[in-house]
Order: sequence, then C-alpha cells, then structure tokens
Amino acid sequence: KAGVTQTPRYLIKTRGQQVTLSCSPISGHRSVSWYQQTPGQGLQFLFEYFSETQRNKGNFPGRFSGRQFSNSRSEMNVSTLELGDSALYLCASSLLGNTEAFFGQGTRLTVV
Amino acid sequence: AQTVTQSQPEMSVQEAETVTLSCTYDTSENNYYLFWYKQPPSRQMILVIRQEAYKQQNATENRFSVNFQKAAKSFSLKISDSQLGDTAMYFCAFTILMDSNYQLIWGAGTKLIIKP
Repeated sequence: KAGVTQTPRYLIKTRGQQVTLSCSPISGHRSVSWYQQTPGQGLQFLFEYFSETQRNKGNFPGRFSGRQFSNSRSEMNVSTLELGDSALYLCASSLLGNTEAFFGQGTRLTVV
Repeated sequence: AQTVTQSQPEMSVQEAETVTLSCTYDTSENNYYLFWYKQPPSRQMILVIRQEAYKQQNATENRFSVNFQKAAKSFSLKISDSQLGDTAMYFCAFTILMDSNYQLIWGAGTKLIIKP
C-alpha cells in the first residue's frame, strides 16, 4: 500500500510569489490535514479536508488556502509569500480524521 | 486553551538503556486520543504509539510503552532497550473527539540521541 506522497520535496520561491503544494493520501483515506513546522513555532495546524470539504481551519492568514479533489488528493496554496512562510509543510491522511494519521515526508519551502 | 508541554528539549542515553520522555497536556474535554510521534532526520513523522483517553490500560508497542495518568494529564513515553535507530525528535500530541474538529495539538518535541 503506497504511503502519503507530497510533491515537491523542496521548493525555493521569492517573496511575493505564490506556491502550490500537493499531497496524495493513502488510498481509501478521506481526510487530509496540513501542518506547518518551523523551528520557532513548532508544528501548527493549517486545515483539514474531508470529502472535498474544509472541516476545520487553523489560525493562519487568508493567504493560506487549500482544496481537496474527488480522489482525495489535496493541494495547499500560499499567495504573496513572506520570508516567515519558510517552513516544512507536512500533510497527513487518515480514514476519518480522528483515527491514526499517516504523514508524508513533507515539502521544504524556502522563501528568499 | 488546549496545550501540550514537553519539558525536556533534549535527552541522551546509551544504547540498550531505558529512557522516559515526559509530556503533560491541558484540556477540559473528556474524550480524546493521545499520540507519540517520532521524526527522524528523514523528516517523516511516524506514529509510535496511541492511547485512547477512555482506556485505563496503558498502551504498549514492543519496546515502547506509555504511562497515562488522566487525572494528572500526563502521558510519558518509555523506550526500553534503546537502539541507535531510535535517535529522532519525539513529539507528543493529542486530538479532541468532538465536532469534527480533528486537529492534532502538538508539543515542542524532545530530541532523543542514542549513543553507541
């Protein structure tokens, strides 16, 4: 059974640009969550999608958005990038959301 | 506010020793899951062990076990016979089971180093 796949693994962007990250969950999993990990703030919840609907959103500005497709794949988008958006972005998939979460290897975003 | 506190930023033990990582949390809810995740240098977050709050029996997974004290809101992880491959960041986390609000609340992590 394939695990959670996140693409790309690494990304370098310039301030003001936008970026889209992708996450393919484990087959059969309907819940996809996104987390931002930084040395200063640790792990913070961005949002969770279930069956193409955003069920929950963390305390991030509107520049951070996401969506989920009918095949449960999810994308997150960050517009007008700031230096502080540099982080490891982790995606997690689970069957229903409250069950065991399986993580991808993350996308390391660097904003210069 | 719901929080998780890991008071040990870094720990170091010799291979084959036993080590205990501490975690305390704060929530007014009664139904939740607690987790320990491991993040090696490869960055992938791996679930080590899970505990349902309604279960009094402590969870065990091979060399990993927890000491869950619900009243004290404490959830420590014990690693027995530690191995070099256990070297990683360890995160304590929990999720509340209500209102479809399935987000993980994380501690700051403990860096565990197993020395040969």
